[in-house]
Amino acid sequence: DIQMTQSPSSLSASIGDRVTITCRASDRIYSYLNWYQQKPGKAPKVLIYATSNLQPGVPSRFSGSKSGTDFTLTISNLQPEDFATYYCQQTYNTPPWTFGQGTKVEMK
Amino acid sequence: QVQLVESGGGVVQPGRSLRLSCAASGFTFSDYGMHWLRQAPGRGPEWVSGVWNDGHVEGYLESVRGRFTISRDKSKNVLYLQMNSLRAEDTALYYCARETKAVSGTWNWFDPWGQGTQVIVSS
Repeated sequence: DIQMTQSPSSLSASIGDRVTITCRASDRIYSYLNWYQQKPGKAPKVLIYATSNLQPGVPSRFSGSKSGTDFTLTISNLQPEDFATYYCQQTYNTPPWTFGQGTKVEMK
Repeated sequence: QVQLVESGGGVVQPGRSLRLSCAASGFTFSDYGMHWLRQAPGRGPEWVSGVWNDGHVEGYLESVRGRFTISRDKSKNVLYLQMNSLRAEDTALYYCARETKAVSGTWNWFDPWGQGTQVIVSS
């Protein structure tokens, strides 16, 4: 199974900050990487698919990229509604579909 | 609108069984693969099982294989997860989710997810 490792596990940021979350795959997954956002008491919601493709309705301040087996979610100009936990998910070698352990973005 | 509603969770003793249901509406159920995922407190989501639109089972998480069975009823637009021989480590919030694919068919993701149904395995 492909293991997904996210870093950091949590971070503190202020409104307007640029936030970067990293996800590393234990093996090559090419561009088969999705990002989800989860708010307390809610189900995860997909933000980005195939590394860098924004879902309809997702603000353009969210972006995704990759370098080798490292993937990055960037939130530029952090907004109040962006405080949440973010998960990466690989869809290359399935089943199983595997997720990272999450990165909680908290208010500084 | 597209909606998934899970039910059937509860508190159960180790070794007992539960059957979860997921009622789908707002889309053509028979066109999509469907999945069960779970999430324990403070943990990331964990994929449990999936079934293709034609009913072919995609697979199971290793730790539930042989104990859990996924199925779907196209006539009722319902996804099921039969969970037998439950263990304490199966305690989690269980979600159903639709497997959505890009037009190209190359990429897929889970969207939407239901609100979840809580399963607690405890003596």
